[in-house]
Amino acid sequence: QLQESGPGLVKPSETLSLTCTVSGGDISSSDYYWAWIRQPPGKGLEWIGSIYYTGRTYFHPSLEGRITISADTSKNQFSLILSSVTAADTAVFYCARGGTQRGSRPLDSWGQGTLVTVSS
Amino acid sequence: DVQMTQTPSHLSAAVGDRVSITCQASQDIRNYLNWYQQKPGTAPKLLIYDASKLEAGVPSRFSGSGSGTEFSFTISSLQPEDIATYYCQEYDNLPCNFGQGTKLEIK
Repeated sequence: QLQESGPGLVKPSETLSLTCTVSGGDISSSDYYWAWIRQPPGKGLEWIGSIYYTGRTYFHPSLEGRITISADTSKNQFSLILSSVTAADTAVFYCARGGTQRGSRPLDSWGQGTLVTVSS
Repeated sequence: DVQMTQTPSHLSAAVGDRVSITCQASQDIRNYLNWYQQKPGTAPKLLIYDASKLEAGVPSRFSGSGSGTEFSFTISSLQPEDIATYYCQEYDNLPCNFGQGTKLEIK
């Protein structure tokens, strides 16, 4: 199970911070990677970044320079930080688990999602 | 980036109909293609991985096929609970892009 947490409202130019708490699985397992996906209201899904058990991270090119993903294995959590946000960053943010043992690395478990609104 | 073109964007069908959705990749992605179902207000749910493999617990009326650049997703007999938006997603390269989605409605 995955559960997102964090502020639902962030001011423009400030920093968005979200945490995903994982239960029933070990985020340091080599069988999985951990991802953030967002969905602007009424629009489609966008992968924004992932972290692997090695600590290696991958980000969507459009967010390079603004995004950080980190993991805290002691708490079995991983986090997203997105800086200098604008209204275009308003979205439902999902955390998800991806399988490394399957070729297409599917996202097989998702959090319920949390709406983050960027507004003054 | 690999671009995923998903068609149609909207689909209306009757209960019991056979329904198909297509996803075209801008380059060869082998069979690294997933399909998800998203019902309103809920998180996406994995249905198909590796283009044609059914996720555990998913009804057998759902299926996927294809490789390379052309993929399809089929519901053999549409049920009322299948009303949702469906997305394809590739994982041959990063960023692992999603298709634009197909909103499926009951006629």
